[in-house]
Amino acid sequence: GIQVEQSPPDLILQEGANSTLRCNFSDSVNNLQWFHQNPWGQLINLFYIPSGTKQNGRLSATTVATERYSLLYISSSQTTDSGVYFCAVSPRAGGTSYGKLTFGQGTILTVHP
Amino acid sequence: DAGVIQSPRHEVTEMGQEVTLRCKPISGHNSLFWYRQTMMRGLELLIYFNNNVPIDDSGMPEDRFSAKMPNASFSTLKIQPSEPRDSAVYFCASSSGTAHLPQHFGDGTRLSIL
Repeated sequence: GIQVEQSPPDLILQEGANSTLRCNFSDSVNNLQWFHQNPWGQLINLFYIPSGTKQNGRLSATTVATERYSLLYISSSQTTDSGVYFCAVSPRAGGTSYGKLTFGQGTILTVHP
Repeated sequence: DAGVIQSPRHEVTEMGQEVTLRCKPISGHNSLFWYRQTMMRGLELLIYFNNNVPIDDSGMPEDRFSAKMPNASFSTLKIQPSEPRDSAVYFCASSSGTAHLPQHFGDGTRLSIL
């Protein structure tokens, strides 16, 4: 099945710093989502971005589908950004894997005041 | 708009007991997914339904697990008998249309089997 690798595995920042999280995937995709899992365990949708660039406040994301990677940018980080960031993809190919989201292992982000 | 609703939020039970987790998808969504999150395996898909029909249950760990979707607004995931290794957070998600549309997750059920 499709492989998803996220980097870095851990990231520690001071409040106000910027960061870039990366997601590499091994096959063509028709769905790519970024999630933030907060300290309460909730999975919050950040972006649906199988290709192109999107921005939402201090967060933005870019997916280069032809090169099979996606980047999540966090600017002016805040302590509330702490948590785990997941990238998840669904392969373009058909069959029973169609529609299944495969998650990366996540990036654990800690923002200190 | 109401999101995906899961119940209970927390469940603690003893080994051997039957456990039933419930999910109400977003109204109008016709695909429903059950995921499990553990420290060892991360987030993994257990089963998904399209138009109430199970499409892929290859992620279901074993026969002790079963899932149903009797109608478009309700699904259950049942574990019988439960074992300590089933302890995990179980998420339900739904999406509208085909596989290329985003999935929306519920808050999860934290299950502890003693």
